[in-house]
Amino acid sequence: DTGVSQNPRHKITKRGQNVTFRCDPISEHNRLYWYRQTLGQGPEFLTYFQNEAQLEKSRLLSDRFSAERPKGSFSTLEIQRTEQGDSAMYLCASSLDGNEQFFGPGTRLTVL
Amino acid sequence: QQQVKQSPQSLIVQKGGISIINCAYENTAFDYFPWYQQFPGKGPALLIAIRPDVSEKKEGRFTISFNKSAKQFSLHIMDSQPGDSATYFCAASNKGGATNKLIFGTGTLLAVQP
Repeated sequence: DTGVSQNPRHKITKRGQNVTFRCDPISEHNRLYWYRQTLGQGPEFLTYFQNEAQLEKSRLLSDRFSAERPKGSFSTLEIQRTEQGDSAMYLCASSLDGNEQFFGPGTRLTVL
Repeated sequence: QQQVKQSPQSLIVQKGGISIINCAYENTAFDYFPWYQQFPGKGPALLIAIRPDVSEKKEGRFTISFNKSAKQFSLHIMDSQPGDSATYFCAASNKGGATNKLIFGTGTLLAVQP
């Protein structure tokens, strides 16, 4: 257990529905990352927060995706109007220095 | 554009043997190279990492070898055990960048046979 928690661990939804995932990082870590991992691939960077500021978003993050970290602690990732192509493992990582990134267990999303 | 290439895709090793996984990168701005271990249904776990100012780093049975001129680095697992069976990912990041986002390889599925 790295100390990074994610909820829910699994989410099954119908195409077109909205979903929201939560990440609770290690408490003293000011940097928070979201990655997406599809079957048989390595994680791909989605977005990055330093404290409450969202400093970078990947081109993978379409307009249907939004992320927040309102008080610089936990973060949420919302996907609106889900599509089957959104099915993946969504991983959150936190870091103190930007190099050592510690990952949570992930949220497995299945869009039917 | 894939910036970190990893091989082999899968690897079978006998218990007690040496597992070797290789990665190559393109971006010369990368200056931090971690390896992650991932079990099914779990998030990646940081195993060992190296910076380009050293050519080798060893932690227990795990060793990273780094060749800056060739832009290659590899993970060696000595005395491989069945419990090492997992997917291994190399990654790279640029500490000089604003985010230190990790660029991952495609992974190597390691099976250690008893």
